[in-house]
Amino acid sequence: DAKTTQPTSMDCAEGRAANLPCNHSTISGNEYVYWYRQIHSQGPQYIIHGLKNNETNEMASLIITEDRKSSTLILPHATLRDTAVYYCIVRAYMDSNYQLIWGAGTKLIIKP
Amino acid sequence: DTAVSQTPKYLVTQMGNDKSIKCEQNLGHDTMYWYKQDSKKFLKIMFSYNNKELIINETVPNRFSPKSPDKAHLNLHINSLELGDSAVYFCASSPYPQGAGGKTTGELFFGEGSRLTVL
Repeated sequence: DAKTTQPTSMDCAEGRAANLPCNHSTISGNEYVYWYRQIHSQGPQYIIHGLKNNETNEMASLIITEDRKSSTLILPHATLRDTAVYYCIVRAYMDSNYQLIWGAGTKLIIKP
Repeated sequence: DTAVSQTPKYLVTQMGNDKSIKCEQNLGHDTMYWYKQDSKKFLKIMFSYNNKELIINETVPNRFSPKSPDKAHLNLHINSLELGDSAVYFCASSPYPQGAGGKTTGELFFGEGSRLTVL
């Protein structure tokens, strides 16, 4: 079962920051939060991951709340190419292995 | 060069047939995976191999049999195909298993997917 909940869909204007929320209220202390995206008809693409601290890379920023029950992925200047399904994922320890538990994702549509 | 490549990209077949999907990665990674994405777009792990050894085997019908001839290849063979097997199957690789040796990287490199349609 997914350990994350996300809005089904969101819109954002091109050039603006896209803020994608994710709830993971049952996350355990050593479970990481990952974000991937899937552009139509392609394989998922890694974006970023974090545990407690906020993280930033060339693609996005990840803001994790202090209680770790939610996080926000920020695409600072969205372009049309950022239209995709964005998955917020928890890496959990299950059956003697770490596994990524995928949710349903948020369909982000960037509008001109 | 494609990092993770799968063939075929599309596969249409009849119920009861046996089919295979092949996957190759040229990233030098030790770990490879098969994921299934159903019509609701959920991605579920099926299998994971580390250096040709099976390390994750989720509750998948035994009609599905992975084979890893070497660490750069992970093939998926499906026997007696059923309608419910219709889905997109993704192969992925990572440098090492998730969480191995305390390492935290979660970056999986995915192939483009193989869309299987069972009629």
